[in-house]
Amino acid sequence: QQQVKQSPQSLIVQKGGISIINCAYENTAFDYFPWYQQFPGKGPALLIAIRPDVSEKKEGRFTISFNKSAKQFSLHIMDSQPGDSATYFCAASGGKLIFGQGTELSVKP
Amino acid sequence: DSGVTQTPKHLITATGQRVTLRCSPRSGDLSVYWYQQSLDQGLQFLIQYYNGEERAKGNILERFSAQQFPDLHSELNLSSLELGDSALYFCASSVVGLGGELFFGSGTQLSVL
Repeated sequence: QQQVKQSPQSLIVQKGGISIINCAYENTAFDYFPWYQQFPGKGPALLIAIRPDVSEKKEGRFTISFNKSAKQFSLHIMDSQPGDSATYFCAASGGKLIFGQGTELSVKP
Repeated sequence: DSGVTQTPKHLITATGQRVTLRCSPRSGDLSVYWYQQSLDQGLQFLIQYYNGEERAKGNILERFSAQQFPDLHSELNLSSLELGDSALYFCASSVVGLGGELFFGSGTQLSVL
């Protein structure tokens, strides 16, 4: 019940395309759903986050879509750029922050 | 720069040994978290301290222990090391005790040979 399942494990997108990463959770007590971005040699950094009282949050090219009934949420990266190439982690928290397995995104020029 | 400092950046040791990883949180942050990152397990939550007290525990082995000192820095002690303990260990800090944004350090890469 504490798991957060993330897919796909890796993703290759052409520059200008849309990157979509999906996550699912079981614990209905989770009330905070952030996405973290990690570059090689660095620690994860918060990218965008959502709470379950809204279905969508957009910040620039990054959008979180949240489906409370399905217990799923996703990250959409519009107009993907080579600089977006990184590992992305979804997470969920009802106290301690539980991370998904990560998605390695590669954006090809 | 997140403001979270971890030392050392790299650590190479042998099986059976004991090591200490150190973390200085961002100025003003009262919570410190430890995570283990490996290729097959992803980012695993180990333990959280808030203002010197243990707040939450995750998948932390009995061979591992941590503490947070009065100046709020934290140490993660790993003993009787095994090959499988080789991983990247991250410290993170936050202002609040639960939820909210975590600020991660750059990690300590532990290699057990």
